[in-house]
Amino acid sequence: DTAVSQTPKYLVTQMGNDKSIKCEQNLGHDTMYWYKQDSKKFLKIMFSYNNKELIINETVPNRFSPKSPDKAHLNLHINSLELGDSAVYFCASSLWDRSKFFGPGTRLTVL
Amino acid sequence: GENVEQHPSTLSVQEGDSAVIKCTYSDSASNYFPWYKQELGKGPQLIIDIRSNVGEKKDQRIAVTLNKTAKHFSLHITETQPEDSAVYFCAAITSGTYKYIFGTGTRLKVLA
Repeated sequence: DTAVSQTPKYLVTQMGNDKSIKCEQNLGHDTMYWYKQDSKKFLKIMFSYNNKELIINETVPNRFSPKSPDKAHLNLHINSLELGDSAVYFCASSLWDRSKFFGPGTRLTVL
Repeated sequence: GENVEQHPSTLSVQEGDSAVIKCTYSDSASNYFPWYKQELGKGPQLIIDIRSNVGEKKDQRIAVTLNKTAKHFSLHITETQPEDSAVYFCAAITSGTYKYIFGTGTRLKVLA
């Protein structure tokens, strides 16, 4: 059974386009996250939602907009994609401040 | 701000040898310390964790030690195997808050 799933796994797109990444968790967790992992493998928190409420919004360009339709889903929409947005994006979930469960990642390549 | 320093950034060991990865945290309120393993093309997965009221925890070939006074904790892998090759992340968490800080990662290579 998949715990945290993300789609798509790979996303290749042109600069200036708008794209979305979807995330779903079936663990009954109340908190979901988006992380960005760069080429050096640093994991950087972008957003966190607790019970559909935004609780963490790190210094991220406002081209990035998360949306949580319910506790089990947290989607990430990116407008006007730039070269520097190329990275692996991980969705994760947890029970509040407990251990996190990560999805398999979405590798975004902006050409 | 709070941070977690992780060393070394890369580590190569011969199969069967031990590997040690160290992390130092700055926030004295941190009280939960998980370790994650990230295999190639996958997301990080929790492998072991320790709470601040415990000095050491072991699970088969992996163990974690915590020194609260010095504010550092370490991951120990004994009898390393090729499948232990991955990137390992430590993290420091303050329970009841949003503070969940990851270390910068260690790429471990186990040479057969």
